[in-house]
Amino acid sequence: QQQVKQSPQSLIVQKGGISIINCAYENTAFDYFPWYQQFPGKGPALLIAIRPDVSEKKEGRFTISFNKSAKQFSLHIMDSQPGDSATYFCAASIRTYKYIFGTGTRLKVLA
Amino acid sequence: DAGITQSPRYKITETGRQVTLMCHQTWSHSYMFWYRQDLGHGLRLIYYSAAADITDKGEVPDGYVVSRSKTENFPLTLESATRSQTSVYFCASSDGGIGSYGYTFGSGTRLTVV
Repeated sequence: QQQVKQSPQSLIVQKGGISIINCAYENTAFDYFPWYQQFPGKGPALLIAIRPDVSEKKEGRFTISFNKSAKQFSLHIMDSQPGDSATYFCAASIRTYKYIFGTGTRLKVLA
Repeated sequence: DAGITQSPRYKITETGRQVTLMCHQTWSHSYMFWYRQDLGHGLRLIYYSAAADITDKGEVPDGYVVSRSKTENFPLTLESATRSQTSVYFCASSDGGIGSYGYTFGSGTRLTVV
């Protein structure tokens, strides 16, 4: 019940395309859902986050869509760029500590 | 420098040896965490701490020991290193508040146990 399932494991997208990464959770007590971006050799960095009282949050080219009834949330990267090539992790938590992370998606955007 | 720093960045040790990974943060964040990152497993929580002298187990605590005598430091010790503990270790901190910016991660320590 504490798991967060993330898919796909890897993703290749053409420059300018839309990248979509999906996550699903079981624990309905989760109330904070962040996405982290990690470049090789670096620690993960917070990209965008959402709370379950909204269905969508957009920051620039990055959008989180949240479906509370389905217990799913997804990250959409619009107009994907080669600089977006990184590993992306979704996470869930009760309040904003002790995150449970997904297994990660390695995104490659082709120039 | 402000932020969260981990040391060393790279470490090679032998099976059975004790090794300590250091983590230091300058924000006075209440919460600190240790994660390990392995291919196919993502980030798994080893231990976390809500405040000085308060620590608790995460998902994969076996073989690890932590302490937190000062708010800013959260060392992770492998008491008797095993090859299965070869991994990249990340420390993170958070103020844990409702308006929190969430975790801030260090740059990681790549540990190889031979």
